[in-house]
Amino acid sequence: DAGVTQSPTHLIKTRGQQVTLRCSPKSGHDTVSWYQQALGQGPQFIFQYYEEEERQRGNFPDRFSGHQFPNYSSELNVNALLLGDSALYLCASSQRGVRHEQYFGPGTRLTVT
Amino acid sequence: EDQVTQSPEALRLQEGESSSLNCSYTVSGLRGLFWYRQDPGKGPEFLFTLYSAGEEKEKERLKATLTKKESFLHITAPKPEDSATYLCARGIREKLTFGTGTRLTIIP
Repeated sequence: DAGVTQSPTHLIKTRGQQVTLRCSPKSGHDTVSWYQQALGQGPQFIFQYYEEEERQRGNFPDRFSGHQFPNYSSELNVNALLLGDSALYLCASSQRGVRHEQYFGPGTRLTVT
Repeated sequence: EDQVTQSPEALRLQEGESSSLNCSYTVSGLRGLFWYRQDPGKGPEFLFTLYSAGEEKEKERLKATLTKKESFLHITAPKPEDSATYLCARGIREKLTFGTGTRLTIIP
């Protein structure tokens, strides 16, 4: 049973560029959440997708956007990158309504220079 | 404001020395208290979910407990491979709010 997968594993971008990160949920899961984790901090909720719609959003600017596809996979897009966007980006999947347990992927390490 | 507070920030134990990690939270709307383990540079690994005061769950050397305002992660006779950051999170409407974690180091 494949767990949550994310690509790429590492990425280096220049300030002002745009980036797209990808996530495939665990088999049987229909909900995808994205989190940003700065060094030494806990993950911070960005947004959540279910049925191809953004259902909840955390305190992140609209430079952060996303998409969910019919096969439940998801993308996170970040425009106009800032140095402060450097972080580990985590995708978590869950089955909606089933005890809210979220399973995380390995993350994408984004470095903005 | 949603808040999850973990203590201590860091803990160093000798192998075999038992201890507990604490997670406190604001109560209103709690829909689950979650514990995760995170190794450096990797995604969090799910450990436990607790939903009601008095609930306990165990896995190998770890036991999680829940009261009305806090949760404890007890580690019994830890081994060096238990070294990691332990994160707790509260869930509301399927959104997780995390604490900053306890960095646990087990010395052989």
